[in-house]
Amino acid sequence: EIVLTQSPATLSLSPGEGATLSCRASQSVSSYLAWYQQNPGQAPRLLIYDASNRATGIPARFSGSGFGTDFTLTISSLEPEDFAVYYCQQRSNWPPTFGGGTKVEIK
Amino acid sequence: EVQLLESGGGLVQPGGSLRLSCAASGLTFRSYPMSWVRQAPGKGLEWVSGISTSSDITVYAESVKGRFTISRDNSNNTLYLQMNSLRAEDTAVYYCAKYKGSAMASAYMDVWGKGTTVTVSS
Repeated sequence: EIVLTQSPATLSLSPGEGATLSCRASQSVSSYLAWYQQNPGQAPRLLIYDASNRATGIPARFSGSGFGTDFTLTISSLEPEDFAVYYCQQRSNWPPTFGGGTKVEIK
Repeated sequence: EVQLLESGGGLVQPGGSLRLSCAASGLTFRSYPMSWVRQAPGKGLEWVSGISTSSDITVYAESVKGRFTISRDNSNNTLYLQMNSLRAEDTAVYYCAKYKGSAMASAYMDVWGKGTTVTVSS
């Protein structure tokens, strides 16, 4: 099973600032990595798939990059609704696995 | 609008059983693989099980293999999860989710239900 390690666990930022979230895989997942956003009490929402493709309806301030074992989710300028928990997920190997999450909180 | 609505959660004793349902609307249900993903209280996401469009392929996490059974009824646009021999560690919110693509390999989930809560406790 591929283990995904997300860092940092918590990111404290102010609205308008940029955010950089990291996801590292225990072995190569090629570009088969997605990012999800989860607000409190809500279901996850797909943001990015195949490392760098934005899902339908996702604002351009969200971007993804990376290949192999190291991936990054970048939020260019935080809006109030972006303060949430973010998870990465790989589909390269069965079973699909998720990272432990990064919480982006208001500073 | 695409919607997934889970039901069937509740409180059950260890060793007991529950059957979750997920009613789909606003999409061609039979065209997409489906999955169940769970989230224990205060924890992260865990993929539980997936099923192909025609039900010929079903896959499970090791933690539930042999205890849970996923199935679907394409004529009624409904996904199911039969959970037997429940344990305290199965306590979680269970989400029904649609795969983004039409193949089992496309295991990104682009539509999620709101979830149903399962509590296993005596």
